[in-house]
Parts: sequence; structure tokens; C-alpha cells
Amino acid sequence: AQSVSQHNHHVILSEAASLELGCNYSYGGTVNLFWYVQYPGQHLQLLLKYFSGDPLVKGIKGFEAEFIKSKFSFNLRKPSVQWSDTAEYFCAVNAAGSARQLTFGSGTQLTVLP
Amino acid sequence: DVKVTQSSRYLVKRTGEKVFLECVQDMDHENMFWYRQDPGLGLRLIYFSYDVKMKEKGDIPEGYSVSREKKERFSLILESASTNQTSMYLCASSFTGGGSFNEQFFGPGTRLTVL
Repeated sequence: AQSVSQHNHHVILSEAASLELGCNYSYGGTVNLFWYVQYPGQHLQLLLKYFSGDPLVKGIKGFEAEFIKSKFSFNLRKPSVQWSDTAEYFCAVNAAGSARQLTFGSGTQLTVLP
Repeated sequence: DVKVTQSSRYLVKRTGEKVFLECVQDMDHENMFWYRQDPGLGLRLIYFSYDVKMKEKGDIPEGYSVSREKKERFSLILESASTNQTSMYLCASSFTGGGSFNEQFFGPGTRLTVL
């Protein structure tokens, strides 16, 4: 069974700082990868996804993620965070072509100080 | 836009009560999922369904059951609620087919407190 690790549980940054949130998964086959975000009081929504092709994926609100197959990683980045990026971020993996379910990481709470 | 709705945002029940959480999606998705979300544990899959009347256990099915009588509706049932089932419950749905890559769409969640 696959698993997903998000090593940063809580990250605190000042506005304009750069962000990188780590995500590693354990699954040897082809995967679909996702980053979801949950803003305070709101439902989970998709930030970006990777399924094939260019390993650098761009999402909404200036976020991007890079799939590095050799490292089983899919780290989320943003060059300059804003206060409105304060939220919880979840990485998820799906074993492409087989299971319908996603496996989620434990989440990273990002707090951006104004 | 895909819409996934859940019957309640907040629910307070007593230990031993039978609890029903309802979820409805309006995009004709085949797959529906129930998760619980707890601080530091992320989302854990309770049950999912890939067709009407079909169900599959997820990672933590103990103490829960589900029902899917119609394609758009997926219910989570706590037969006898216990305090350790106090949590946020999230429903999601997804489409199986070309281009979906199993992306899931989430409802707003139900925060259940069991006293």
C-alpha cells in the first residue's frame, strides 16, 4: 500500500518569503499526484495535479510543484507567499490505472505573518 | 462546477446514538468517499463506493457503515456513536474516465461532536 509523508507539520513564514513544502510517497509504480489546500473554514480544493509529461506543474494562485521520480517527491513551491496563503496543505497520491482512492499525507499548516 | 454537499456543518450527538451523515454530489460521479480528518493525522479513508450498492472498506472502517442506494448519494452511518468518533467528516466524489486521473472533489465537511 502506498503512503505519503509530509515532514513539515507547521511552517511559519513572513509575507514575501519563499515557500517549499515537502512531500514524499512510497509506491514503485506510476502515480498521479495532487496538492490540495484547505483555507480556514473552507472545504478542500485542488491546487495542482501531476499525471504525466512536464514534471514541473503550475497550479492556481502562483503555486507550482516538481515531480522528481528518482526521489519519490512532489514538493510544493511558491516564490513569494501572501498572508492569504495561510492554510493547511495536503499532498495526495493515487496509484495510476488501478485504485480509485487517494492516499493523503498528514498535512502542513502554513501560517504567513503580515 | 462540481458540487458536493453534506447535510450538516455541525452535529452534536450523545454516546450510543445512531448517527447518519449524508452526502450528495451533482456531477454524476461514479465514485464517492468518506474520510475523517483529525489534527496531525490528515485525511483517513473510512469507506468508498464505486457504484450504486457497492462499497469498499478504507483504512479505518471499524465502527462505521455506509449506504449507497442512489448514484448521487452516499451515507455514512455510525451505528453507536462513541467519543473517539468526534471528528471532521469529509465526503468526496470523483469521476472514472479519461482525463480525470482520479481527482476528488470535496464537500464542506461535517464537524461531529460525540458527548
